[in-house]
Amino acid sequence: DGGITQSPKYLFRKEGQNVTLSCEQNLNHDAMYWYRQDPGQGLRLIYYSQIVNDFQKGDIAEGYSVSREKKESFPLTVTSAQKNPTAFYLCATRTGNSNQPQHFGDGTRLSIL
Amino acid sequence: QKEVEQNSGPLSVPEGAIASLNCTYSDRGSQSFFWYRQYSGKSPELIMFIYSNGDKEDGRFTAQLNKASQYVSLLIRDSQPSDSATYLCAVNGRAGGTSYGKLTFGQGTILTVHP
Repeated sequence: DGGITQSPKYLFRKEGQNVTLSCEQNLNHDAMYWYRQDPGQGLRLIYYSQIVNDFQKGDIAEGYSVSREKKESFPLTVTSAQKNPTAFYLCATRTGNSNQPQHFGDGTRLSIL
Repeated sequence: QKEVEQNSGPLSVPEGAIASLNCTYSDRGSQSFFWYRQYSGKSPELIMFIYSNGDKEDGRFTAQLNKASQYVSLLIRDSQPSDSATYLCAVNGRAGGTSYGKLTFGQGTILTVHP
């Protein structure tokens, strides 16, 4: 089944803990993105990657880290430096040129215990 | 001024009416524009995208773009209760700029279609 898979669907973080959110795709898309959505807000870009082994910071990268070792995978780590991590995290992918639309996974909800 | 601004909601329309959702953007060099629908608790799904001035129609949905006025809109004809959702406008950065390939989202407009 083709698509973008985010896991887990729900995640809880303790104070001082790093957690990693998974995003896997089998669409053979080159570009992958991580967004954060807070209640009643639009999406804000955390990190993005347009090719393997390369990624760039988005607008709110502080307290987050990523890797892009494989085309299919773009995991996001929420570090203990991110003081307000409770949000809905969305992974998106894009194929073709940069004018093409992005498509989203189902998201991961992260909460603080 | 926000980079992408949507008309404040919530917007409530009766079933069968036309819903009009509006979005303005600040970067005159932006070239591609997207409308996403997001149901409560779900992820955004693409409805329409438009690159050229004028109208683009897909079923009950029409996207309208006016680059001179830096304005993009989404019309939903024959609105149904199932159209009730938050609608997000997204704008791509200008080609050749540092934001090319990055989308900037508006805050969203909540639409309610009542029977």
